[in-house]
This record gives sequence, structure tokens and C-alpha cells, in this order.
Amino acid sequence: KQEVTQIPAALSVPEGENLVLNCSFTDSAIYNLQWFRQDPGKGLTSLLLIQSSQREQTSGRLNASLDKSSGRSTLYIAASQPGDSATYLCAVGGNQGGKLIFGQGTELSVKP
Amino acid sequence: GAGVSQSPSNKVTEKGKDVELRCDPISGHTALYWYRQSLGQGLEFLIYFQGNSAPDKSGLPSDRFSAERTGGSVSTLTIQRTQQEDSAVYLCASSLAGREQYFGPGTRLTVT
Repeated sequence: KQEVTQIPAALSVPEGENLVLNCSFTDSAIYNLQWFRQDPGKGLTSLLLIQSSQREQTSGRLNASLDKSSGRSTLYIAASQPGDSATYLCAVGGNQGGKLIFGQGTELSVKP
Repeated sequence: GAGVSQSPSNKVTEKGKDVELRCDPISGHTALYWYRQSLGQGLEFLIYFQGNSAPDKSGLPSDRFSAERTGGSVSTLTIQRTQQEDSAVYLCASSLAGREQYFGPGTRLTVT
């Protein structure tokens, strides 16, 4: 059974810092991995999707990497801003695009 | 274009009543997913529809839960004889097959 773990559960950093969020999964036979952010009381916003054949994806100040063999993904946020404050969720997809298995999330706070 | 929409945004119901939650996916998306998010359980998969294939119902927690997708578009999640433990935010997502999942804003269900 696939299990997804995110460390740390919460992170507080000053504005401008670069930071890394970690995600690990127990079964390396994944189809894809998706990173989301969730603002309080809101739905999920997709940030990046990495297919199993890819090593990384970039969007603006965000870079996500994937190492299937070790069961790990990282989300790198450059030059953090207070508007980046949210909960970041990692989710793993198997079975050619079926259900996602989610981690518990990392709650990020960027202080001005 | 329009994103995934869900209705109602909030629903309060009495224990034992039936409820219906609606999801309108992004036009053209062949896959539709239901998840729920609760404080104790995080984000968990409920059911997945892909085209004309039989749905993956493996995440439905009991036979009180059912869902249908009419005409390959709109979906309704029905919970019969609601219980207090059904209180959660119910999230719908849609995607092209095997691609990025896009989430709606969710329906917050409170069972009193």
C-alpha cells in the first residue's frame, strides 16, 4: 500500500529565503507526482506535475524534482514571499492516472 | 476557461438525512475524481471515473456512499443516512487521462 510522507509538518522562514519541502513515498512504481498548494478554507491549486519518466519540472520560482528509485521528491521555492504562505501537498499517482495518494502536507509561513 | 465547480459550497444536515453533492468538471476532461478532506484523515480518495470505463470505487468508505457521472460530464456524490463522521470537505477534481488534476473549491458538509 502506497504511503506518502511530508517533512517537515510546519516551516516558518523569513521573506527572501530559499527553501525545500520534502516528500517521500513507499512504492516506487508511480505514474506521476503532483505538488499542490492549499490556502486556508480553499481548494487545491496545482503547482507542478512530474511524470514518472521525468526528473524535474520548473515553474517560475518553483522547482520540483523526482527520484523514483529512492522514493523522494522535493519542492524548491526560491526567494520566498509572504504570499507563498500556505499548506503544500504532495500527491502520488499510480495506475496510469487514477487516484492520487496524498501526504499530510507542510504548512509554510513566510514572515515579512 | 472555467474551472471545476462544486455545489453547494456549504451543507448542514441532520444525522440520518441523505445529501447530494454536485461537481461540474472542466469541459473536455475525461476523468473525474472525488476526494474528502477531514482533520483526522487528511485528503483521501473516494471514487474515480474515466470515460466509459467502470468507475474505481475502491475508496468509498461504506455502502452509504455512491456516485454517478451522467453523460460523461456532471457528477453527483450521494451520501445516504448521514453520520457525524461524514462531516468533511468533499473535493472534486477533473483531468485529461493521466494528466494534471484540477480541483474545485469543495463542499463543506456538516452533519449535526
